[in-house]
Amino acid sequence: GAVVSQHPSWVICKSGTSVKIECRSLDFQATTMFWYRQFPKQSLMLMATSNEGSKATYEQGVEKDKFLINHASLTLSTLTVTSAHPEDSSFYICSASRTATEAFFGQGTRLTVV
Amino acid sequence: AQRVTQPEKLLSVFKGAPVELKCNYSYSGSPELFWYVQYSRQRLQLLLRHISRESIKGFTADLNKGETSFHLKKPFAQEEDSAMYYCALSSNYGQNFVFGPGTRLSVLP
Repeated sequence: GAVVSQHPSWVICKSGTSVKIECRSLDFQATTMFWYRQFPKQSLMLMATSNEGSKATYEQGVEKDKFLINHASLTLSTLTVTSAHPEDSSFYICSASRTATEAFFGQGTRLTVV
Repeated sequence: AQRVTQPEKLLSVFKGAPVELKCNYSYSGSPELFWYVQYSRQRLQLLLRHISRESIKGFTADLNKGETSFHLKKPFAQEEDSAMYYCALSSNYGQNFVFGPGTRLSVLP
């Protein structure tokens, strides 16, 4: 199957700093990638749709200025959490579709803001 | 609004027993329903989708539009089936999803 990889797998940052998370499709090109957030013991919630070469589309309630998404190439999307605070601590997961009918998920990135 | 519910947070069964993980959804159009599984310390992976009507690892799920349900079933549970199971709904051909809260299946020896 297709592989989607996230980096880093886990990160700890100080409150007020920014952290970047990468999502790469290793063996296929993805014009669209998706970013999800998962709080402990809760389900995945779609945050935004990352579109290659254009602006991301954010779900209602997600601050676009706080969660910056860049999709500069067909194999890489980045999520930058700006001015992170402890409440941003969560598990962030990306997905990409190789075809129109199946999405592949990254292994997730655990962000802890201290 | 799109919504997926899974009433059981945790389901424990003994090995060899039948298992049914419940999923209900609300969606005004014609949804595509999926089951995703997450084994311990592994990434989310597709288990099955309703349009393919296939059986994966002995699991089946039938879409019941009248009851708006997509329950996951397996006649004889195995210990390796222990995992977190998410029911998901997609309105764009399985590219992005609305996930249910998940059910943790624990198969006891």
